[in-house]
Amino acid sequence: QSVLTQPPSASGAPGQTVTISCSGSISNIGTRSVNWYQQLPGTAPKVLIYNTDQRPSGVPDRFSASKSATSASLAISGLQSEDEADFYCAAWDSLLDGPVFGTGTKVTVL
Amino acid sequence: QLVESGGDLVQPGGSLRLSCTASGFTVRSDWMSWVRQAPGKGLEWVAYMNRDGSQTSYMDSVKGRFTISRDSPKESLYLQMNTLRTDDTAIYYCARLKRGPWYFDLWGRGTLVTVSS
Repeated sequence: QSVLTQPPSASGAPGQTVTISCSGSISNIGTRSVNWYQQLPGTAPKVLIYNTDQRPSGVPDRFSASKSATSASLAISGLQSEDEADFYCAAWDSLLDGPVFGTGTKVTVL
Repeated sequence: QLVESGGDLVQPGGSLRLSCTASGFTVRSDWMSWVRQAPGKGLEWVAYMNRDGSQTSYMDSVKGRFTISRDSPKESLYLQMNTLRTDDTAIYYCARLKRGPWYFDLWGRGTLVTVSS
């Protein structure tokens, strides 16, 4: 069950900035860190952002994220064709005692 | 690296055991988890186990039907799935779960489970 809500799609031209929102509640985003995952077509997900705004080594700084209250957002600047993928937010939920994922956002580069 | 196996076509009510073999690290040194993705749908956490196996947790819809376990000497993680339902149809990913802060840092390629008559 998806507890975090994301827009189903987002798009932008190459070089533009796309922002994806993620809405949750006090039991997850409101009190816990947020992660973002990128899933390229036909592949397993890959962590893009952890601990709300930290990038693992190898992830370009074009990807940035933030959180405010019970919502989080991911920004992709300098959009490139290889950024076309599905993006998922995730947060630990204290009521479920486990992680919850967002509904997913498909990013298209026009 | 993580490699899953065991996915198959099974009838509703049937059972299946998935395996996940780790290389490059030992499963007993990390928290491990299963995450699934129904065809064309989003990601859904299924279960996790802590380092020493003393703590497990499951999503509500699989409690009492699925069991996560591991065999440390074999560096393998398992998911025993019983009383399977059609809505369990999905790609099942094995993932390493880092804690403090938490995130899934390593994923397998997944194995497909299809529940259908």
